[in-house]
Amino acid sequence: AQSVTQPDIHITVSEGASLELRCNYSYGATPYLFWYVQSPGQGLQLLLKYFSGDTLVQGIKGFEAEFKRSQSSFNLRKPSVHWSDAAEYFCAVGAFGNEKLTFGTGTRLTIIP
Amino acid sequence: GAGVSQSPSNKVTEKGKDVELRCDPISGHTALYWYRQSLGQGLEFLIYFQGNSAPDKSGLPSDRFSAERTGGSVSTLTIQRTQQEDSAVYLCASSSTSASSETQYFGPGTRLLVL
Repeated sequence: AQSVTQPDIHITVSEGASLELRCNYSYGATPYLFWYVQSPGQGLQLLLKYFSGDTLVQGIKGFEAEFKRSQSSFNLRKPSVHWSDAAEYFCAVGAFGNEKLTFGTGTRLTIIP
Repeated sequence: GAGVSQSPSNKVTEKGKDVELRCDPISGHTALYWYRQSLGQGLEFLIYFQGNSAPDKSGLPSDRFSAERTGGSVSTLTIQRTQQEDSAVYLCASSSTSASSETQYFGPGTRLLVL
């Protein structure tokens, strides 16, 4: 069965600093990988996704993620965070022929001035 | 265009009562999903509808949970004889096709509190 681990429950970063959120997955086949963001009181919004091709994926709001098969990881990065990036971030895994996404438990990001 | 909408946004109920949660997907989307988000947990898949095919109910936690999708559009998730452990945010998502690489668009959720 597929699974996703987000080892960091809560991360605090200063505004303007760089950010990396970790995501590790477990799946036998080639995974489809997603990062979603959830702002308070809002639904989830897709930041980026990977299912083939270039392993470095660019998303919205200046985010990027890199798929590393050897490490079973899909970490999310941003070079300089803004106060509006404060939210909960979820990594998810799916696969061809498996429409159900499996989500990690999320990482809550706090931005300090 | 309009996104996925859910109603009610909040629901407080007493243990043992039945509740119905509604989801209006994006127009034209054939796939619809229900997830549950409990405090400190990730999203837990509940049920999936694709067109006129039989739904995938493999994530429903008990037979108190059921869902239907009428006319391939609006969906209702029903929880019978609610328990306190059912308290959670229930999220609905839709996508244009059932392909697993397709983006799922989420609604704002219904926050359910069972007293």
